[in-house]
Amino acid sequence: DAGVIQSPRHEVTEMGQEVTLRCKPISGHNSLFWYRQTMMRGLELLIYFNNNVPIDDSGMPEDRFSAKMPNASFSTLKIQPSEPRDSAVYFCASRRGGLGLKNIQYFGAGTRLSVL
Amino acid sequence: LAKTTQPISMDSYEGQEVNITCSHNNIATNDYITWYQQFPSQGPRFIIQGYKTKVTNEVASLFIPADRKSSTLSLPRVSLSDTAVYYCLVGFNNDMRFGAGTRLTVKP
Repeated sequence: DAGVIQSPRHEVTEMGQEVTLRCKPISGHNSLFWYRQTMMRGLELLIYFNNNVPIDDSGMPEDRFSAKMPNASFSTLKIQPSEPRDSAVYFCASRRGGLGLKNIQYFGAGTRLSVL
Repeated sequence: LAKTTQPISMDSYEGQEVNITCSHNNIATNDYITWYQQFPSQGPRFIIQGYKTKVTNEVASLFIPADRKSSTLSLPRVSLSDTAVYYCLVGFNNDMRFGAGTRLTVKP
């Protein structure tokens, strides 16, 4: 399996522009997670989906952020409009369904976003 | 959500055994303990998971006392390539959250 695939790997944009980050989870996984990582705040969970349905979006910082999962093999995280404080590494992770043991999250390589 | 406490950083030397302890006083009955490793410019990677007693795999061992209020990740004979941030998570299914982690630096 190719693992979790994120694109783009790097994104540089100007303040006010719309940014869309993409994620393809591992086939057969039914939970998908979006994280943001910064030096100051560490690794923060933004939102997660279960069977394509958003379950917990309490970590989404504000209305400028939105996430969708139109099908089991694709998800997007959109920031509109972007601001310099959104600069961070954004990770996507997926997890196979089932309870308890080995509910391991598999992470993508991340998208490094720089908003100028 | 169960909160975890780990040392912010640790230093070690090549060939030594490293033990990183995580406190989780309010762990729930259903919660598992999971450890991840993160190298610079990469996403976290699963290392080991356990519920009680001791678990060992090819990478590490995880020691969990009977009260489960703490756990210890043991890395045998570390090398320079083990320099990374190590995260302890406690939870069940999708309710686990990453803390600040422990930054391990292995020196030659």
